[in-house]
Amino acid sequence: KAGVTQTPRYLIKTRGQQVTLSCSPISGHRSVSWYQQTPGQGLQFLFEYFSETQRNKGNFPGRFSGRQFSNSRSEMNVSTLELGDSALYLCASSLWLNTGELFFGEGSRLTVL
Amino acid sequence: KNEVEQSPQNLTAQEGEFITINCSYSVGISALHWLQQHPGGGIVSLFMLSSGKKKHGRLIATINIQEKHSSLHITASHPRDSAVYICAVSGGSQGNLIFGKGTKLSVKP
Repeated sequence: KAGVTQTPRYLIKTRGQQVTLSCSPISGHRSVSWYQQTPGQGLQFLFEYFSETQRNKGNFPGRFSGRQFSNSRSEMNVSTLELGDSALYLCASSLWLNTGELFFGEGSRLTVL
Repeated sequence: KNEVEQSPQNLTAQEGEFITINCSYSVGISALHWLQQHPGGGIVSLFMLSSGKKKHGRLIATINIQEKHSSLHITASHPRDSAVYICAVSGGSQGNLIFGKGTKLSVKP
């Protein structure tokens, strides 16, 4: 059974640009959640999607957005990048919303110059 | 004050030692997760529990709902157990995951 796949694994952007990250969950999993990890703040919840609807959102500005497609694949977008957006972005999938074991992808490491 | 507190922040042990990592939380939860993160970033879910105790190999996780406290124990520790262990709770007012700062474990041969 394939795990959670995140692409791209590494990317470098400059301030003001935008970025789109992709997450393919484990087959059959309907919930996808996104997290930001930085050395200073640790892991922080961004948002969670279930059945193409955002169900929960963390305390991040509106520049951070996401969506989920009918096949449960999810994307997150960060617009007008700032230096502080440099982080490891992780997604996780689970069978259902707010319950069940989480399966994490390897993450997308974003560097903003 | 953080809603999820872990202790210790750093832990060095000799191979074979019994290790305990603690997690206290201040919000109502539906479940508590113990996660392991190796250098390079990948996170593996070790346990998800809402009551009692779970065991997997040399790892044991316990939770006391009344005291809002959980512990992760590693018996007969091994250098390959070296990683960051993160406690996370789901529930709270928004229903999303809230993470502790992590415990960095180093097991020396």
